[in-house]
Amino acid sequence: EDQVTQSPEALRLQEGESSSLNCSYTVSGLRGLFWYRQDPGKGPEFLFTLYSAGEEKEKERLKATLTKKESFLHITAPKPEDSATYLCAVQARSGNTGKLIFGQGTTLQVKP
Amino acid sequence: DTAVSQTPKYLVTQMGNDKSIKCEQNLGHDTMYWYKQDSKKFLKIMFSYNNKELIINETVPNRFSPKSPDKAHLNLHINSLELGDSAVYFCASSQVFISRSNQPQHFGDGTRLSIL
Repeated sequence: EDQVTQSPEALRLQEGESSSLNCSYTVSGLRGLFWYRQDPGKGPEFLFTLYSAGEEKEKERLKATLTKKESFLHITAPKPEDSATYLCAVQARSGNTGKLIFGQGTTLQVKP
Repeated sequence: DTAVSQTPKYLVTQMGNDKSIKCEQNLGHDTMYWYKQDSKKFLKIMFSYNNKELIINETVPNRFSPKSPDKAHLNLHINSLELGDSAVYFCASSQVFISRSNQPQHFGDGTRLSIL
């Protein structure tokens, strides 16, 4: 069964304190792995898509990496505005429906 | 312009009532989705339509019935609401049937459903 597990569930950082969020997945053939950011009261906002092991993508203070079993979202020198819930999702290669399987998310709080 | 819009944003109603949530996307996407997010923020797919045709129907009680009048609209009707239906419901859209591309899904801001 396709599955996504994120850790930690919650993370508190001081402003400027770099860290990483983990997304472990099992899927019968990966079509793509997606990272989203969700702010309170809002819908998930797309950040990155990763397709194959070894791929990396960057956006401002965020960098996403992918291996055959997991993905990391590295946050370098975070700011309070980076506080949000970060969601990871996978799309399987079988059945071209666009279906996403989400992890439970990591809630990040960055204190000034 | 809002890409994926849902109405209403909040819905408070009593057990046993019937209610509908509407969703519209102006991105020109061919596929739309309904997700349910529980109190622990876990997002789970419920339904998906591609050009008005149902393509994903997860294990959802048949009190939930999606309807897609055209590819830009996907509505969700819920009969005989139960306490366990309280959650945030998100609509999303994407362009699925494009070769060599994995278009991300774009989400609306959700409808918070509270059952009294």
